[in-house]
Amino acid sequence: AQSVTQLDSQVPVFEEAPVELRCNYSSSVSVYLFWYVQYPNQGLQLLLKYLSGSTLVKGINGFEAEFNKSQTSFHLRKPSVHISDTAEYFCAVSDFDFGNEKLTFGTGTRLTIIP
Amino acid sequence: DADVTQTPRNRITKTGKRIMLECSQTKGHDRMYWYRQDPGLGLRLIYYSFDVKDINKGEISDGYSVSRQAQAKFSLSLESAIPNQTALYFCATSDRYGGEQFFGPGTRLTVL
Repeated sequence: AQSVTQLDSQVPVFEEAPVELRCNYSSSVSVYLFWYVQYPNQGLQLLLKYLSGSTLVKGINGFEAEFNKSQTSFHLRKPSVHISDTAEYFCAVSDFDFGNEKLTFGTGTRLTIIP
Repeated sequence: DADVTQTPRNRITKTGKRIMLECSQTKGHDRMYWYRQDPGLGLRLIYYSFDVKDINKGEISDGYSVSRQAQAKFSLSLESAIPNQTALYFCATSDRYGGEQFFGPGTRLTVL
């Protein structure tokens, strides 16, 4: 069975500073990896995803993540955050179980940008 | 228009009442999912359906049932609501490959 750990439940960051949100996963097979963002009072939308190929994945709004198979991590980064990045961020994993893929979500990291 | 819609957006009900949450999608996806979100717990899968004739239990299906009326419609029912079912409920859809899911705006359910 797959699982996802987001160790940081809350991350406060000053505006224009860099940020890294950590995500570690466990799975016995190959995986797909995702980061979703949830803005206040909204549903989830996809930031970026890793399916295969380059381990550095670029997403929307200047975010990127790096897949590290040896460390089973998929950390999310942004070099300079803005007030509008205030949101909750969820890491998710899907086993590469063709035809039976399901997402398992982490518990989320609430990113607060300090002006 | 939104690709995945949920009705109602907010609902307050009493313990013991039957509640139905509805989800419709215009993405043409075969797969649909119901999740609940609780603070500090992330999203947990309640039920999922890979096509109209396929229904599967997720991680936390007790106390819930679903109906897949058509490719585009997937309803979640609480037969007898209880207070610990107070949560934010999300519907999602996906196509057959890659696992990316598309979410509705959510239904905030309060059971008194």
